[in-house]
Amino acid sequence: NAGVTQTPKFRVLKTGQSMTLLCAQDMNHEYMYWYRQDPGMGLRLIHYSVGEGTTAKGEVPDGYNVSRLKKQNFLLGLESAAPSQTSVYFCASSAQGWSNQPQHFGDGTRLSIL
Amino acid sequence: GQNIDQPTEMTATEGAIVQINCTYQTSGFNGLFWYQQHAGEAPTFLSYNVLDGLEEKGRFSSFLSRSKGYSYLLLKELQMKDSASYLCAVREDSNYQLIWGAGTKLIIKP
Repeated sequence: NAGVTQTPKFRVLKTGQSMTLLCAQDMNHEYMYWYRQDPGMGLRLIHYSVGEGTTAKGEVPDGYNVSRLKKQNFLLGLESAAPSQTSVYFCASSAQGWSNQPQHFGDGTRLSIL
Repeated sequence: GQNIDQPTEMTATEGAIVQINCTYQTSGFNGLFWYQQHAGEAPTFLSYNVLDGLEEKGRFSSFLSRSKGYSYLLLKELQMKDSASYLCAVREDSNYQLIWGAGTKLIIKP
């Protein structure tokens, strides 16, 4: 059971570089989410999607873009990386967004911006 | 504004019982989740409460009081593998988003 798979697991970037984080889920979930996790803070929602072809902004969307061209994939892009974007990024998915259906998380991508 | 408070760190002894508290102040309430996160790993779902009262699931139980904006996670018969961070998250309304506490790091000593 793969669940939620994130690629890559680690990455080091220089300021100004761009990259895309990949998230794939095999549970046929409608809802997908991108979070960042920083020391001493709760998970913060960057963007989310309620279905194929839809995206919406979360709490901290600036500097990030997303796309959900296929139901199983949710991509997070950094157009011009900044040191403040150094963080651990988690992708999650859920069958629904409003019930007791929990979010299932990937193993995370540890991103450092120099 | 939105606020979720949890103790930063707690220490307990193997075989004992520990209660991890979570208080929240949100504009609405539509469910509370508890997750476990081992260091360097993904959060994993533990429990969900939307009505007042206690939900029991094996060694873990979770309690909710909506009028007090309060929940706790109770862990019994502690094992070394329970050393982890425990995250409390609240869904304010039907906009699908969860508001997360910073987590409580639980250290289990032999």
